[in-house]
Amino acid sequence: DTAVSQTPKYLVTQMGNDKSIKCEQNLGHDTMYWYKQDSKKFLKIMFSYNNKELIINETVPNRFSPKSPDKAHLNLHINSLELGDSAVYFCASSQVPGAYTEAFFGQGTRLTVV
Amino acid sequence: GENVEQHPSTLSVQEGDSAVIKCTYSDSASNYFPWYKQELGKRPQLIIDIRSNVGEKKDQRIAVTLNKTAKHFSLHITETQPEDSAVYFCAASKDNFNKFYFGSGTKLNVKP
Repeated sequence: DTAVSQTPKYLVTQMGNDKSIKCEQNLGHDTMYWYKQDSKKFLKIMFSYNNKELIINETVPNRFSPKSPDKAHLNLHINSLELGDSAVYFCASSQVPGAYTEAFFGQGTRLTVV
Repeated sequence: GENVEQHPSTLSVQEGDSAVIKCTYSDSASNYFPWYKQELGKRPQLIIDIRSNVGEKKDQRIAVTLNKTAKHFSLHITETQPEDSAVYFCAASKDNFNKFYFGSGTKLNVKP
């Protein structure tokens, strides 16, 4: 049973395109996150949702638009892709936001913009 | 906001030796400090965590220590094995804060 699953695992696309990454968790968690991991492996928070509501938007360009249709899903849509968007994007979830609970990560989506 | 710094960025040890990774944090209200291990091409996974009311926690070959006064915490791996080779991330969080701040990662290489 996969706890946090995201699709696709790999995504290669041209500059200027629009793409989406989907994420689902079957852990019953209230909080979901999107993290960006750049080529230097640094994990940077992008968004945090608690029970379908946006809680944190860490100065991410508005080309990135998260959508949470229910608390088990948090999708990421990216408009007008740029070369600098190339990275690995991780979805994660936790039971209660930040309160002594583990964040479970999806397997990551490697986005390459050419 | 919170700022988590992690050192060293790379660490190479001989199999059987110990490895120590150190992190500092800036927000004295942070009260939860997990450590994640990320193997090449895989997702980060929790290996150990510590709460602010505890100074040390051990799980077999790995241990974490926390100094709240100095605002730093460390990961200790003893009797390292090649399968310990990975990138290790420290993180800090606090109650109802809705995010984890991660350190910049340490690439550990255990040479057989």
